[in-house]
Amino acid sequence: GENVEQHPSTLSVQEGDSAVIKCTYSDSASNYFPWYKQELGKRPQLIIDIRSNVGEKKDQRIAVTLNKTAKHFSLHITETQPEDSAVYFCAASGQGGSEKLVFGKGTKLTVNP
Amino acid sequence: DVKVTQSSRYLVKRTGEKVFLECVQDMDHENMFWYRQDPGLGLRLIYFSYDVKMKEKGDIPEGYSVSREKKERFSLILESASTNQTSMYLCASYRQGAETQYFGPGTRLLVL
Repeated sequence: GENVEQHPSTLSVQEGDSAVIKCTYSDSASNYFPWYKQELGKRPQLIIDIRSNVGEKKDQRIAVTLNKTAKHFSLHITETQPEDSAVYFCAASGQGGSEKLVFGKGTKLTVNP
Repeated sequence: DVKVTQSSRYLVKRTGEKVFLECVQDMDHENMFWYRQDPGLGLRLIYFSYDVKMKEKGDIPEGYSVSREKKERFSLILESASTNQTSMYLCASYRQGAETQYFGPGTRLLVL
């Protein structure tokens, strides 16, 4: 089945710097890659997603890139702010039409003022 | 706005008790999921359901069962709670074809 690896597990940046979180997946049939943000004590919320027919997607300060050949995708946050501090999860949809998401283990991002 | 609710935010149970965790969504979503979230392990799928009375095992179904008698409600059952089931439990749902999963607020379960 699908396996998703996420790195780094923790990331600390200064306010205004960029942050990059990387994920790799194993199933070449996966075609949907969402990113979730989970603030302390809250539910995961979708922040951006990308489908396999697109190489890059941007939404204000957040962008996601996908390299299908290498089977990796990344989350880029520019001009980080303290409110970006959270745990971020990547995920990939499994094969076989079940549309189950397999999640990475998460990255705890801390943005220092 | 999608609403996924869970019956309890915090729950304390004793070893051996039968535990019911309820999840309700109000958007007529076909697909519903139960995950557990543990530090350093991310979200792991316990069970999911793609229709009423239909269920499939996820990655860690041992010690759990589920029930989906109505489309809007998906229940997770711990037949005999054990301390290693102390965790945060998250329910999610999504509409067929939409792919985006919407999560409930979570239930933090402590088994003593």
